[in-house]
Amino acid sequence: DADVTQTPRNRITKTGKRIMLECSQTKGHDRMYWYRQDPGLGLQLIYYSFDVKDINKGEISDGYSVSRQAQAKFSLSLESAIPNQTALYFCATSDGVGLAAEQFFGPGTRLTVL
Amino acid sequence: QQQVKQSPQSLIVQKGGISIINCAYENTAFDYFPWYQQFPGKGPALLIAIRPDVSEKKEGRFTISFNKSAKQFSLHIMDSQPGDSATYFCAASMEAAGNKLTFGGGTRVLVKP
Repeated sequence: DADVTQTPRNRITKTGKRIMLECSQTKGHDRMYWYRQDPGLGLQLIYYSFDVKDINKGEISDGYSVSRQAQAKFSLSLESAIPNQTALYFCATSDGVGLAAEQFFGPGTRLTVL
Repeated sequence: QQQVKQSPQSLIVQKGGISIINCAYENTAFDYFPWYQQFPGKGPALLIAIRPDVSEKKEGRFTISFNKSAKQFSLHIMDSQPGDSATYFCAASMEAAGNKLTFGGGTRVLVKP
């Protein structure tokens, strides 16, 4: 979905390096999410933010940190990358309105940690 | 510990056949059950969703069946087409927890021509 963009799309890095994945959205949504996808495990929530001043840990936040620079921007950092953080990472947004709040996903970032 | 368990992990079906994917959940507080469809190289996208006050929802060739007492729900793809080849994720959320989605492990569906 072009309304949610992620950079970079692919990244190969080495163990111990600091990595930042960036997400931008033009949908005007307040809520933003970071997920990682591993085969057979579906998507697991890393962090989520309901507005610029509200950031919350998800199921698997250890080893990750986030920054919500603006309503439209939400970055995910790996302070010291390790091989088991090799995965596909997705950013998503929603307007959070009502029960059926659809989440809109970006195209993903494939991260490989050697 | 997965709160939403999805099966099978993969599925091969002939064109025109029926694809069936099953999900089971633990938390009875879940109040919204969407299915997301993901094509290779793309992010997931909402396909169809159901609330627990109905037992079935149909949109075109896609149907969700919901069994509240069994804590199970399933996706049926009727008249499966090669363009339906994708990975499907069931999910669950609760409004009380800010509608955060808990996903199943995914099912890779291949529709053979």
